[in-house]
Amino acid sequence: ILNVEQSPQSLHVQEGDSTNFTCSFPSSNFYALHWYRWETAKSPEALFVMTLNGDEKKKGRISATLNTKEGYSYLYIKGSQPEDSATYLCAFTANNDMRFGAGTRLTVKP
Amino acid sequence: DTGVSQNPRHKITKRGQNVTFRCDPISEHNRLYWYRQTLGQGPEFLTYFQNEAQLEKSRLLSDRFSAERPKGSFSTLEIQRTEQGDSAMYLCASSSGTGSINQPQHFGDGTRLSIL
Repeated sequence: ILNVEQSPQSLHVQEGDSTNFTCSFPSSNFYALHWYRWETAKSPEALFVMTLNGDEKKKGRISATLNTKEGYSYLYIKGSQPEDSATYLCAFTANNDMRFGAGTRLTVKP
Repeated sequence: DTGVSQNPRHKITKRGQNVTFRCDPISEHNRLYWYRQTLGQGPEFLTYFQNEAQLEKSRLLSDRFSAERPKGSFSTLEIQRTEQGDSAMYLCASSSGTGSINQPQHFGDGTRLSIL
């Protein structure tokens, strides 16, 4: 299993801005793509698990898309709020292995 | 609270000592995972269990590391003859599921290990 890459590494936006970030993963031997949100001093919280090419998931102002053929997923946050400030991790699973990216650190300024 | 519980929260020990961490998963979850996380990196997969069976063990895990889940409930991760490079946050997670890892995982707060 090859590495999972996330970009950008960090992002600073103003309250109310919409934003998105990318997770790239190996397109072969795909089983699932996970997104987690990790706030400082807390434990990672599951946002989405996607398994099918073309999947789109939504939870409030956060949504995600999946392209397994080209090996990428986008996470979108509409109208960012300060409480959205966190590290957003994606993880790729292939059979019995799970590989996390290093995350995108989002800071939303009031 | 019926979330994933990890103990201790912090462990400081001298190089060469053995340490053991415990994880209590969400009771109805059959799967339990161990990860290691260092500063600036995402969690690194170490191993996981389905019930009491250890299904996968990362090649990152040297023979100084061992994990058990004897009754399919709580799990322990032991590190023998600790080295400074073992300093990290050790995370435990649990989920339901069979087959591939395609269910959301619920994480504990982690055990932070510092090797002096």
